[in-house]
Amino acid sequence: NAGVTQTPKFQVLKTGQSMTLQCAQDMNHEYMSWYRQDPGMGLRLIHYSVGAGITDQGEVPNGYNVSRSTTEDFPLRLLSAAPSQTSVYFCASTSILMNTEAFFGQGTRLTVV
Amino acid sequence: GENVEQHPSTLSVQEGDSAVIKCTYSDSASNYFPWYKQELGKGPQLIIDIRSNVGEKKDQRIAVTLNKTAKHFSLHITETQPEDSAVYFCAASSAASKLTFGTGTRLQVTL
Repeated sequence: NAGVTQTPKFQVLKTGQSMTLQCAQDMNHEYMSWYRQDPGMGLRLIHYSVGAGITDQGEVPNGYNVSRSTTEDFPLRLLSAAPSQTSVYFCASTSILMNTEAFFGQGTRLTVV
Repeated sequence: GENVEQHPSTLSVQEGDSAVIKCTYSDSASNYFPWYKQELGKGPQLIIDIRSNVGEKKDQRIAVTLNKTAKHFSLHITETQPEDSAVYFCAASSAASKLTFGTGTRLQVTL
């Protein structure tokens, strides 16, 4: 059972470039979310989804897009990367129906130069 | 929205001593309070959680207490060991899904 899988683990981008951070879960969880982690600021919610076809903004959504075409996948897109988006990104999934804990991926460390 | 404050930001204890981390929250509708441990280079992992219908929960050396009236909850680790060294995060939400995290506590257990 792989749980939550994030790719890539590390990425360096130039300002203005675009990229997609991938997140997949194999637990059939309805709820998926993206957080960013910055020193001294904990984890802040970027976007979340309560099911396929449904997404919503979290606390810090600017500069990020998401989509949820399947239950398993929840990619995070940076359309035009900025140095302020240098961070560690975590994807998480939860079963609302089963009221489980949130399971996190291993993270993607992104540096924008 | 919910706001979670966590203290202290760093904590150093000697092996065998106890460690206490405290969090406060603002939204009285919150009823789920998990604690996560994050080791270097890894994602956060749940170590214990508590729901608002109980005041205390224990799991071996780890315990969490909740005071809903005062809107605060605490993590207690007894008989600390070097492998307890990590960053700990508290969180709050009205479900297990949309979590608001504290800013984290770096715990260092020294020999």
